[in-house]
Amino acid sequence: QVQLVQSGAEVKKPGASVKVSCKTSGYTFSNYDMNWVRQATGQGLEWMGWMNPTSGHTGYAQKFQGRVTMTRDSSIDTAYMELSSLKSDDTAVFYCARRVRDGDYIDHWGQGTLVTVSS
Amino acid sequence: QSALTQPPSASGSPGQSVTISCTGTSSDVGNYNYVSWYQQHPGKAPKLMIYEVNKRPSGVPDRFSGSKSGNTASLTVSGLQAEDEADYYCSSYAGRNNLAFGGGTKLTVL
Repeated sequence: QVQLVQSGAEVKKPGASVKVSCKTSGYTFSNYDMNWVRQATGQGLEWMGWMNPTSGHTGYAQKFQGRVTMTRDSSIDTAYMELSSLKSDDTAVFYCARRVRDGDYIDHWGQGTLVTVSS
Repeated sequence: QSALTQPPSASGSPGQSVTISCTGTSSDVGNYNYVSWYQQHPGKAPKLMIYEVNKRPSGVPDRFSGSKSGNTASLTVSGLQAEDEADYYCSSYAGRNNLAFGGGTKLTVL
């Protein structure tokens, strides 16, 4: 079965960076784009961007451009999302999400990684 | 990219039907039949309920249905059950490989 397993919770200081991993299994990693979605506590879902695991091509939401980097290690079927210059309002749960290209919908989600930004 | 507009809350009694709207623009909802809906229970990851406007993934009850007219998509939950109480989010393709989400609707089963 398809699984997306994310790395554990993180606590970071303002100005620092965080890198979240998303280990996939149960499907061909290169056949689906990986997306990342942020959800602040008590708030809605916010799309951050996408990555093509084959080419490494990425696209980021305007709000996160310049601060987010999405990468992958295809040898271990793992995607990564790094967010820099963290601020307190970056405190949120971050989800990796497998996106179906033909239809542009997310059919599987990771369990979420809580990132807390606090001095 | 702008968020899609959803009502913050909706409610209905068990057995009733409720419809949640999702309003976008001619650049997203109105231009593509790539609207999806997700259900999220507290503390859980979202779950796909509807894709491509009105298609249901395997395992999703047929009480859930989707539609679209112009720039507005809708999710209808018929025969409401207690377990349907959750947050619901719409999403639409917005061009150039971008996605947009709605702000979410909290569905309460009275």
